This record gives sequence, C-alpha cells and structure tokens, in this order.
Amino acid sequence: SAVISQKPSRDICQRGTSLTIQCQVDSQVTMMFWYRQQPGQSLTLIATANQGSEATYESGFVIDKFPISRPNLTFSTLTVSNMSPEDSSIYLCSARTALGQPQHFGDGTRLSIL
Amino acid sequence: QKEVEQDPGPLSVPEGAIVSLNCTYSNSAFQYFMWYRQYSRKGPELLMYTYSSGNKEDGRFTAQVDKSSKYISLFIRDSQPSDSATYLCAMGQGGSEKLVFGKGMKLTVNP
Repeated sequence: SAVISQKPSRDICQRGTSLTIQCQVDSQVTMMFWYRQQPGQSLTLIATANQGSEATYESGFVIDKFPISRPNLTFSTLTVSNMSPEDSSIYLCSARTALGQPQHFGDGTRLSIL
Repeated sequence: QKEVEQDPGPLSVPEGAIVSLNCTYSNSAFQYFMWYRQYSRKGPELLMYTYSSGNKEDGRFTAQVDKSSKYISLFIRDSQPSDSATYLCAMGQGGSEKLVFGKGMKLTVNP
C-alpha cells in the first residue's frame, strides 16, 4: 500500500490568510483525494485530483477557495484560501493505485484559524 | 435518510471482549466496503476491504457484509487496549471514485 506524507502536520493561521498543504506519495498513483474531517462529522470529500487535468470538486467546495495542484503522479497540494474560523478542521489527503482499490490516507493537517 | 449511518458511540469494553461495530446504508449501488481504524492524531488506516456479501477474516478481525439488508459489520475478537481507536466504515460504487464514510465509532478497550 502507498505511504502518504502530509505537511504541515498542524498550523495556526490568521483570518484572511492562505495555507498550502502538501501531500507526497511514495509511489505513483492515479488518483489523489482531499478530505475535510470535522469533529463528530463524516469525512467529507473536497475534491479529486487527477494528474494532468483540473481537479473535480464536490458540491459545496469551489476552486477559488480550495485550489488544488497535481503536477505529477506522486504529489498534490491543497490551498485553503482567505481562511475564516469556519475553515478550522483536519484536512486529509488520500490516494489509490487503481479504480476499485481502497484509498490510503496521510495523517492529516490540523488547521486552526484565529 | 443519510447514505451511510453509523452509531457514533462511544463504546467502552473490557479487554478480551468481542466487539461488534455496525453500519447501515441506503444506496443499493454500493459494491465495495471498507473499515478504517483511526488513532488519535493519525489518519485513517485501512483494516478490511471487501467486494462481496459474506464474511472476510483477518486475524482477530472479521468483516461481514449483508447486501440484501444493506448492513455491514466489523467484529473484533479478544479485544486489546491497542484496539482503542475510532472505527470508520466506508463504501463505494463500482466505477466511481467517491467513497462515502460513516461518522465513526470511538472504541475504548479497558485493561
């Protein structure tokens, strides 16, 4: 299974700023995914990132707020833009090697907005 | 009705107990089913993955899928304090990238 590293592991940010979260996989993967995890809530998919094409966003998430890059088959970034306290959450990156295969997760980025 | 329902608990059991964790779902198109374990301050870790109805066993863990009843279970035998974590069910449709997760059940195994 793929090993996934996320940076930073946690951050405290000021309202109105932006933060870019990095996700590195130790092997080439076809699809990468970005999730948000809030206390007491299900993991919520933000977007799916396929190398070489625009990310596909889920309902309620927009590219201007959560721009995503996928420059190659082992790396992706998620930017949380113009942050507000409501963006305080855990952001998780996952990846899978082929359609129908399970997703594997990084340890997440714990983000707090003051 | 939510697509996936999972009793959020929390659940506290003594060491050695048999634990049963359950999820129900409403979407009959779900074809594959997963259980993830998440320790505090860690990401979800894949425990079990199955496509078909029936049981799948891996050590002390057994995953059970009943597609006719739209019900999945995870059984943990001889539970250990190291099993203390949040357990998430997840499911997906064939041909679709998207997984739908339950809210997670927090389990504590007391020595």
